[in-house]
Formats: sequence, C-alpha cells, structure tokens
Amino acid sequence: AQSVAQPEDQVNVAEGNPLTVKCTYSVSGNPYLFWYVQYPNRGLQFLLKYITGDNLVKGSYGFEAEFNKSQTSFHLKKPSALVSDSALYFCAVREGNTDKLIFGTGTRLQVFP
Amino acid sequence: AAGVIQSPRHLIKEKRETATLKCYPIPRHDTVYWYQQGPGQDPQFLISFYEKMQSDKGSIPDRFSAQQFSDYHSELNMSSLELGDSALYFCASSFTGEGEKLFFGSGTQLSVL
Repeated sequence: AQSVAQPEDQVNVAEGNPLTVKCTYSVSGNPYLFWYVQYPNRGLQFLLKYITGDNLVKGSYGFEAEFNKSQTSFHLKKPSALVSDSALYFCAVREGNTDKLIFGTGTRLQVFP
Repeated sequence: AAGVIQSPRHLIKEKRETATLKCYPIPRHDTVYWYQQGPGQDPQFLISFYEKMQSDKGSIPDRFSAQQFSDYHSELNMSSLELGDSALYFCASSFTGEGEKLFFGSGTQLSVL
C-alpha cells in the first residue's frame, strides 16, 4: 500500500531563513507525490506535485520540493521563509491508479518574525 | 475564479440524527471527492465520483452515503450520527485532464453533541 510519512510534527524557523519540511514515501511503482497547505479553518491548497521529469519541482508561493528516489524522500523547501507561511503542511501520495490521495499526518510550520 | 463551495460551513447535530452536507465543484470539473478530517488528524478519503458515478470508496461508514447529481453537485448523507463523526468534512474537485490536482472547499465543520 502507498503511504507517506512526515517525521516532524512541528518545524520552527525564523523569518528569512530557509525552511525544509520532510516527507518520505513508500510506494510500489512510480510515485505521484504532492504537497498541500492548510491554513486555519480552510481547505487544503495545492502547492506542487511530482509525476515524472525533473527531480526539483517548483510550486506556488515560492515553494519547491526535491524528489529523491534513493532516499525515497520528497522534502518541501523554501529559500526564505515568511511569517505568512505559517500553516499546516501535508505531503500526499496518489494511490495506485486511483484518484485517491493518501495524506501524511501533517507538519505544522511556525515562522517567527 | 470560482472555487469549490460547501454548505453549510458549520452544522451541529445530536446523536442519532441525520445530516446532509453539500458540495458544489468548480465548473467543468468532473470528479468530486469527500474527505473527513478529525481534530488534529490528517484528511481521510471517504468516497469519490466521476461523471456522477461512484469511482472509488475509502473508509466511509455504512451509515454514510453520497451521490453526485446531474448538475455535478454532490451530497454526503450521514445517518445515526455518533460523537466520533464530529470532524471537518472536505469536498474536493478535479478535472480529468489534471486529475492529480485537487481543489478543496473550505469544509463543513460537523459537531455531534
């Protein structure tokens, strides 16, 4: 079965510093990987996805993610964090040939001024 | 741009009552998904519809049912409500041409007392 793991419940970073939110995956076959962000009392918003091609994927709001097959990771990164980036971030994998997304447990990102 | 619309935003019910949640997908989107997110939990896939037909089923209790109508809106019907059903229920929609990218509504917060 497909799954993703987010090992950190919370990540704290100072504004202006680079940030990384970690995600590892376990899939059979080619992984379809995603990052979503959730602001309080809001639905999840799509950030980026990896289907195939370049290992470095660029997404919304200056975020990017690097697909690393040898480490089975898909970490979310941003060169310079903003206070407004503070939110809950979910990594997800698409299950098999379905449209169903399997979400990780989420990582709360807190950016301090 | 039009987004996924869910109604109501908040719903309070008592145990053993029934509830109906509505979802209006983005125009032209042909697939609708329902997710349940308990307090502090990651979203769990419930069910999806493609072109008004059920396309996939997840961890949806037998007490719940859903359907998609001719105008593509979807309803999630919940009967014999239990305290554990209290959660945020998200609807999402996608277009087959971009099936990997889901657009989420803001959710319906269901509280069962």
